Amino acid sequence: KQEVTQIPAALSVPEGENLVLNCSFTDSAIYNLQWFRQDPGKGLTSLLLIQSSQREQTSGRLNASLDKSSGRSTLYIAASQPGDSATYLCAVLSRSGGGADGLTFGKGTHLIIQP
Amino acid sequence: EAQVTQNPRYLITVTGKKLTVTCSQNMNHEYMSWYRQDPGLGLRQIYYSMNVEVTDKGDVPEGYKVSRKEKRNFPLILESPSPNQTSLYFCASSLGVRGRGFYEQYFGPGTRLTVT
Repeated sequence: KQEVTQIPAALSVPEGENLVLNCSFTDSAIYNLQWFRQDPGKGLTSLLLIQSSQREQTSGRLNASLDKSSGRSTLYIAASQPGDSATYLCAVLSRSGGGADGLTFGKGTHLIIQP
Repeated sequence: EAQVTQNPRYLITVTGKKLTVTCSQNMNHEYMSWYRQDPGLGLRQIYYSMNVEVTDKGDVPEGYKVSRKEKRNFPLILESPSPNQTSLYFCASSLGVRGRGFYEQYFGPGTRLTVT
């Protein structure tokens, strides 16, 4: 069964720093990997989607990489801002052990950017 | 505006009283799914639907029912809610999955359900 782990669970850094969030998954037979942002009490906002055949995707200050063979993805945030404070979730789309096609989520990294 | 909507956003109910949480998308997406989010457990898939009249169990389907009579709607039904179904529920949709391409999933705003 697919399992997704995110490290660190929480991170607090001063504004302006570049930072890296890590995601690992146990079954490399994924269709794609998606990074989300969740603000307290709110829904999920999709940040980046990387197909299994791709190595990275970029959107503004965000860059996500995928190494499918090693089961790893990183989300790089450049020049962090207080508005980046949120929980970041990594999710992989794969055929789970039960045969279901759906996203398997990590538990998230809770990020605080100090002004 | 392209979006996934859920209703109600907040619901407090009692054990055993049947309820339905509606989900609707206006993007003509084929794939729809329900997830629940619990502290320490993260998000887990309940049910999903590849297309109209096609539904399948996710990882935690017990105690839930779904239907997909129309492409845009995918309601979640709790026939006899119990306190362990207290959770934050999210509906999601995607243009397609598997052989039709693996597309980005869009999430609704969430429904916070409390069962007493």
